[in-house]
Amino acid sequence: DQQVKQNSPSLSVQEGRISILNCDYTNSMFDYFLWYKKYPAEGPTFLISISSIKDKNEDGRFTVFLNKSAKHLSLHIVPSQPGDSAVYFCAASDNQGGKLIFGQGTELSVKP
Amino acid sequence: NAGVTQTPKFRVLKTGQSMTLLCAQDMNHEYMYWYRQDPGMGLRLIHYSVGEGTTAKGEVPDGYNVSRLKKQNFLLGLESAAPSQTSVYFCASSPDRGPLRPQHFGDGTRLSIL
Repeated sequence: DQQVKQNSPSLSVQEGRISILNCDYTNSMFDYFLWYKKYPAEGPTFLISISSIKDKNEDGRFTVFLNKSAKHLSLHIVPSQPGDSAVYFCAASDNQGGKLIFGQGTELSVKP
Repeated sequence: NAGVTQTPKFRVLKTGQSMTLLCAQDMNHEYMYWYRQDPGMGLRLIHYSVGEGTTAKGEVPDGYNVSRLKKQNFLLGLESAAPSQTSVYFCASSPDRGPLRPQHFGDGTRLSIL
C-alpha cells in the first residue's frame, strides 16, 4: 500500500513558467514532509521541507504548500529553469526513528 | 568534501552469488540508511541504523543483512542474490532523528542480478 503518492510520473513546462508538482498521502500520522531532487546517476538531494504546523514554506524560487485536511502537498517552482529538469521525490515522516516514506517521483522537464 | 561514498558503483551478479555493498560517510552522522529504487516505486527503506553497533529493519528487509561496526560505515549484504534484487541501491546518512533533518545520499550502486 503506497502511503505517499505522486500520481504524475512526468511533467513538461516551458522555461519561465510555473511548475507545480503534487503529492498525496494517506497516513494521518505523517507530520513532516520533504522534497528531494534527483539528477540522473546522482543521489537525491534535499530541496525544501515543511512541518504540519505550517501550511506554506518558501525558499527562493521554491515554495511548498501543505493542505493537511486534504492530505495533499505541492511544490511550486517559479520561474522554472532548464536546470530544474530532474526527478522530484516527495517524502513523509511520522518522526519514528528518522525514517522517510517516499513517493514514486515526478520527472520534470523544463523546455527552453 | 566526500559526504556519502558508495562502493561499487556498478555490479553484475549471477543468481545465488553473494556480495557486500559498502557505504562510508565522513560527516560524523549517527543515522545511516539503505534504500532501493525501482521504476514506479520510488525509494524504499531496506534497513537503517541509529548508531554504531545498531541496526533495524525498514520496509523491505527480506533477503538483505546489514552491519554497522564503525560509525562511519554501513554495509549491506546479499547472501544469495535473486533477480528480484536487481535495483539501484542508495545509502544515506543524517546527524540525528530530527524529522526535518535532511538525509544526505550517496550516488548509488546499480546492481544487476542475472
